[in-house]
Amino acid sequence: VQLVQSGAEVKKPGASVKVSCKFSGHTLTEDSMHWVRLVPGKGFEWMGVFDPGDGETIYAQKFQGRVTVTDDTSTDTLYMELSSLTYEDTAVYYCVSVDVLRSFHYWGQGNLVTVSS
Amino acid sequence: DIQMTQSPSSLSASVGDRVTITCRASQSISGYLNWFQQKPGKAPKLLIYVASTLQSGVPSRFSGSGSGTDFTLTISSLQPEDFATYYCQQSYITPCTFGQGTKLDIK
Repeated sequence: VQLVQSGAEVKKPGASVKVSCKFSGHTLTEDSMHWVRLVPGKGFEWMGVFDPGDGETIYAQKFQGRVTVTDDTSTDTLYMELSSLTYEDTAVYYCVSVDVLRSFHYWGQGNLVTVSS
Repeated sequence: DIQMTQSPSSLSASVGDRVTITCRASQSISGYLNWFQQKPGKAPKLLIYVASTLQSGVPSRFSGSGSGTDFTLTISSLQPEDFATYYCQQSYITPCTFGQGTKLDIK
């Protein structure tokens, strides 16, 4: 199984960023898909989960209203869009495949998103 | 949100040492505890899931134990490639929260 994310991004405050995560090696419907970020000096933050089986999403309260996770089953690609960016959103963003035992077993390589004026 | 408290935050050890890292949850997480290893510039690597199950391909010197709110990661005999940062994470309830990490370096 491989999760391949899109490349690094530099965005201005107030802008949006859309990160992609392409699967290979298993179908999109087998696991739940999570987004996690690693904020420099602060640690990991869980952002949300997408269930490919029914398209349902759950977002962390901190990101409610700013984050949207969608999928494209024709290309086995997951997307995470974060809007109204601030400097505090500078982080490495990871997509993670999670199995029925809730193990975060497959990780994308990470996307560095830098918010800078 | 469930708070995950890891200790120590940093640790110096030598090759061959036995090392233990602890993780405490602010409430019971029914064993849904993951341990990860992360090296600079790399994605986290899953070591242990459901508190004590070794992920496929992970060396047997890594082990996990615990239940309820208290969990432990043990490395029985440190190897040079084990010097990294280790994180615990609960996946019982969203948001799936992480410990603050334990940086393991060479003494």
